[in-house]
Amino acid sequence: SQQGEEDPQALSIQEGENATMNCSYKTSINNLQWYRQNSGRGLVHLILIRSNEREKHSGRLRVTLDTSKKSSSLLITASRAADTASYFCATGETSGSRLTFGEGTQLTVNP
Amino acid sequence: DTGVSQDPRHKITKRGQNVTFRCDPISEHNRLYWYRQTLGQGPEFLTYFQNEAQLEKSRLLSDRFSAERPKGSFSTLEIQRTEQGDSAMYLCASSLWGTANTEAFFGQGTRLTVV
Repeated sequence: SQQGEEDPQALSIQEGENATMNCSYKTSINNLQWYRQNSGRGLVHLILIRSNEREKHSGRLRVTLDTSKKSSSLLITASRAADTASYFCATGETSGSRLTFGEGTQLTVNP
Repeated sequence: DTGVSQDPRHKITKRGQNVTFRCDPISEHNRLYWYRQTLGQGPEFLTYFQNEAQLEKSRLLSDRFSAERPKGSFSTLEIQRTEQGDSAMYLCASSLWGTANTEAFFGQGTRLTVV
């Protein structure tokens, strides 16, 4: 079963705009990770944020985590056509046994 | 290339046949995971190993599925008597558990089509 729920399911923006995707989850977590997946390919790890962190940056990516609301957001600034992909959040359980994925947000960046 | 490697990338098989997939994790990683992903869905956890020990199996992993990691390095996932519902992308990931860096890195996947 999926723990995370991404919102929106699909997002279409113009190149240069910012894209924000949200993820909600249900149980206590050790960490939350964001992945990108191009069509038919494997998942590329983007960023990991630990449960005791509130914000993290990596290049054009900004991730926030609110454990009280059990939610996270991924912001991609100054989007490019190459950012077109599906984005998934995955929660790492406190037991450390597995990552549980949401159903993803399909991002389309129009040139 | 020092990433996670999966073989084959694509497999087409007839219903009822057995198939085996291989995963080579990042060499120093002690954890190895198998996931299954169908079109339009997120990956679903199947099983994971810490070194050679299989520590957890999902209810999704029916008796027709078996996974091994005999020497704590590469792993194989076998599906016996394949069914059309087994058609999916099978993803392998590895991580280094026990350190501050617990990111899981994925391979490119094996796409299985059962006809």
